[in-house]
Amino acid sequence: GENVEQHPSTLSVQEGDSAVIKCTYSDSASNYFPWYKQELGKRPQLIIDIRSNVGEKKDQRIAVTLNKTAKHFSLHITETQPEDSAVYFCAASISGNTPLVFGKGTRLSVIA
Amino acid sequence: GAVVSQHPSRVICKSGTSVKIECRSLDFQATTMFWYRQFPKQSLMLMATSNEGSKATYEQGVEKDKFLINHASLTLSTLTVTSAHPEDSSFYICSAYEAGRSYNSPLHFGNGTRLTVT
Repeated sequence: GENVEQHPSTLSVQEGDSAVIKCTYSDSASNYFPWYKQELGKRPQLIIDIRSNVGEKKDQRIAVTLNKTAKHFSLHITETQPEDSAVYFCAASISGNTPLVFGKGTRLSVIA
Repeated sequence: GAVVSQHPSRVICKSGTSVKIECRSLDFQATTMFWYRQFPKQSLMLMATSNEGSKATYEQGVEKDKFLINHASLTLSTLTVTSAHPEDSSFYICSAYEAGRSYNSPLHFGNGTRLTVT
């Protein structure tokens, strides 16, 4: 089955700097790659997703890139703010009625 | 947008008792729902896939007789933790896709249930 690896497990950045989180996946059939932000005690919130027919997607300060050949995808957050501090999870699945397989998460701390 | 309602949000029970968690899709039909479990400071791990009108599919290592799943309608799935023990204390989250959804529809999550077994 699918296996998703995520790095780093923790990341501290100064406010205003950029943060990058990277994930790799194992199943070449996967073609849907969402990113979630989770605050303590709450459900994951979808922040951006990308499908295999595109290589990059951007939404304001957040961008995701996908390299299907290498089977890795990355989350980029620019101009970080303290409210970006949370745990971020990448995930992968085959589009359809299949579940998401999550990475282990990255705890992002943005220092003011 | 599509909403998944999960209840209760928190439950404390004594060891040996059973707890039922409900997951409802409020404005869409869900032929399939996924149940995840999240231990503190860990990732979301898929427990089982709940299929409307048929038996659930459990992931390896998840005891189907302990975690009973019922998906009796297109809008309701329940997870019952039977004979709960302290090691079952966790955050349980359900999720669902919209049945007949468009290609770009995301997976919708409930708010989760924090189970504490004393």
